[in-house]
Amino acid sequence: SQQGEEDPQALSIQEGENATMNCSYKTSINNLQWYRQNSGRGLVHLILIRSNEREKHSGRLRVTLDTSKKSSSLLITASRAADTASYFCATEETSGSRLTFGEGTQLTVNP
Amino acid sequence: KAGVTQTPRYLIKTRGQQVTLSCSPISGHRSVSWYQQTPGQGLQFLFEYFSETQRNKGNFPGRFSGRQFSNSRSEMNVSTLELGDSALYLCASSPPTTSGGGFGQFFGPGTRLTVL
Repeated sequence: SQQGEEDPQALSIQEGENATMNCSYKTSINNLQWYRQNSGRGLVHLILIRSNEREKHSGRLRVTLDTSKKSSSLLITASRAADTASYFCATEETSGSRLTFGEGTQLTVNP
Repeated sequence: KAGVTQTPRYLIKTRGQQVTLSCSPISGHRSVSWYQQTPGQGLQFLFEYFSETQRNKGNFPGRFSGRQFSNSRSEMNVSTLELGDSALYLCASSPPTTSGGGFGQFFGPGTRLTVL
């Protein structure tokens, strides 16, 4: 079963714009991770934020985590056509355990 | 280091047959997890192996099984295939937790299984 929900399910923007995706989850977590998947391929780990962190940056990515609301957001700044992919949040209840994935957001960046 | 490799990449089987998928983790990674991805159910955890022992198991029927060898390579087996088993099967490996964590899981390209 899916841990959480992602919002929106699909997002279409122009190159150079920012893209924001949201994720909600249901249980207590050790950390929350974001992954990218290009069509029909494996997932690529983007960023991990621990339950005691509120915000984390990596290049053009910014992730926030609100454990009181059980939600996270992923912001991609200055998007590029190459960012077109599906983005998934995933939670780990304890370190090193299974990942529980959200439903994903399909991001399309138009050149 | 070489990434996670999965073989075969594509597989077509018929109902009732069985299938074995293989996964080689990144060198030094001892944890291997398997996930099933379908359009209807999304990404679902199958099981995780660590040092040849199943450490976690998802909510799948007993037709789905796996094992891990001493070199950390893993196989998963699906017996008596059903149409609904058609999916992308993804394998992921994790670095040792003693490495400090924060790396997430490293996924292979997946095996696309089609059951006819």
